Amino acid sequence: QVQLQESGPGLVKASETLSLTCTVSGVSITSYQWSWIRRPAEKGLEWIGDVYFSGASDHNPALTSRVTMSVDMSKSQVSLKLRSVTAADTATYYCAGGQVGFGVDVWGQGTTVTVSS
Amino acid sequence: QAVLTQPSSLSASPGAAVSLTCTFRSGIDVAAYRIYWYQQKAGSPPQFLLRYKPDPGDQLGSGVPSRFSGFKDASANAGILLISGVQSEDEAEYFCVIYHGSAWVFGGGTKLTVL
Repeated sequence: QVQLQESGPGLVKASETLSLTCTVSGVSITSYQWSWIRRPAEKGLEWIGDVYFSGASDHNPALTSRVTMSVDMSKSQVSLKLRSVTAADTATYYCAGGQVGFGVDVWGQGTTVTVSS
Repeated sequence: QAVLTQPSSLSASPGAAVSLTCTFRSGIDVAAYRIYWYQQKAGSPPQFLLRYKPDPGDQLGSGVPSRFSGFKDASANAGILLISGVQSEDEAEYFCVIYHGSAWVFGGGTKLTVL
């Protein structure tokens, strides 16, 4: 059974960097593509980006200048860094995964991040 | 205009057949896309329901009841999630998603209330 667990600070100051980690269990990290998706309160879901075990990644064009995603195969972890955050980045952040080319079919529980001024 | 448009809310009675629509923006042909559907209940992460094109890649999510199915309405240029015999446990928000322009695009979501 594939399980994903997000972790990271729940509070980040404006203009600083949001850093989250997703720990993967139940599947080889090389088997899936990994995604970060967020949901601000009272809004819909927003794709942040995908990362592959090779280290290649694709990002939402609206966020690409601030996003870095990576994979640590030795720890079976996927990470997200979002720089220069503002209040608009306050959201629940989800790690998700799926077979390459077939979207995501497994999600973490999500972690809520609040950006403070 | 958004790439994918979903009605913000919908209500249904238990046992009814419910169609949730995901309308593609003019100029984007629904026939060319695989549509993914997710269900999100309050306080929980989204759950994968199904993906539909149709082609051999179509799949119903693990543990998802067979009352959930996907269709396309070419005349409306829309994807449809059909719930045959809606149950109270189906009360949730439903999102459609496609891969368009090298990016995953989400519809705004439909909140389904089962009265």
